[in-house]
Amino acid sequence: QQQVKQSPQSLIVQKGGISIINCAYENTAFDYFPWYQQFPGKGPALLIAIRPDVSEKKEGRFTISFNKSAKQFSLHIMDSQPGDSATYFCAASDSDQAGTALIFGKGTTLSVSS
Amino acid sequence: DGGITQSPKYLFRKEGQNVTLSCEQNLNHDAMYWYRQDPGQGLRLIYYSQIVNDFQKGDIAEGYSVSREKKESFPLTVTSAQKNPTAFYLCASSIATGGRTQYFGPGTRLTVL
Repeated sequence: QQQVKQSPQSLIVQKGGISIINCAYENTAFDYFPWYQQFPGKGPALLIAIRPDVSEKKEGRFTISFNKSAKQFSLHIMDSQPGDSATYFCAASDSDQAGTALIFGKGTTLSVSS
Repeated sequence: DGGITQSPKYLFRKEGQNVTLSCEQNLNHDAMYWYRQDPGQGLRLIYYSQIVNDFQKGDIAEGYSVSREKKESFPLTVTSAQKNPTAFYLCASSIATGGRTQYFGPGTRLTVL
């Protein structure tokens, strides 16, 4: 019930291509869906986040697509660059439930080849 | 600069020893968290705290202990009861729990010799 399932586990994309990472959740009470980016040896940092009142959010080359009925959301990286090579985590939480923490997916390691 | 600091960056421990990882934040955040990261396992929640003098177990609390005596500090002790403590440990904070942005520290890599 509380899991967030992320796929694929790893992804190799050519420079300039589109990287797509998918996440699925079960708990319909979740209402906050962030994506974090982590470089090797560093802590994760928030990349972009969405709430279920919109179906898409775009920030630069990064876009979150959200499908409430399917309980899925995805991260699209347009014009992927070698500097985008990192591990990406999706997460979810229920904002209305006090005392809850983010639930993270297991991560996707993205490699962008030049 | 506001942020989260973790120390040390690298830590080596002999089997049977307790060790404490430091986490300090100057973001004036109420909530703080500890995660463990292993290859292919993502971020697993160890403990979190919503407010001073209060904390809750996460998914993998066994073998760990925490304290929250000050708002800015949330140390994690890895006890000898933790069977496989070698991992990358991440501390995070947020304004509150729930749907809030978490800010992460740089992490501590613990290796048991």
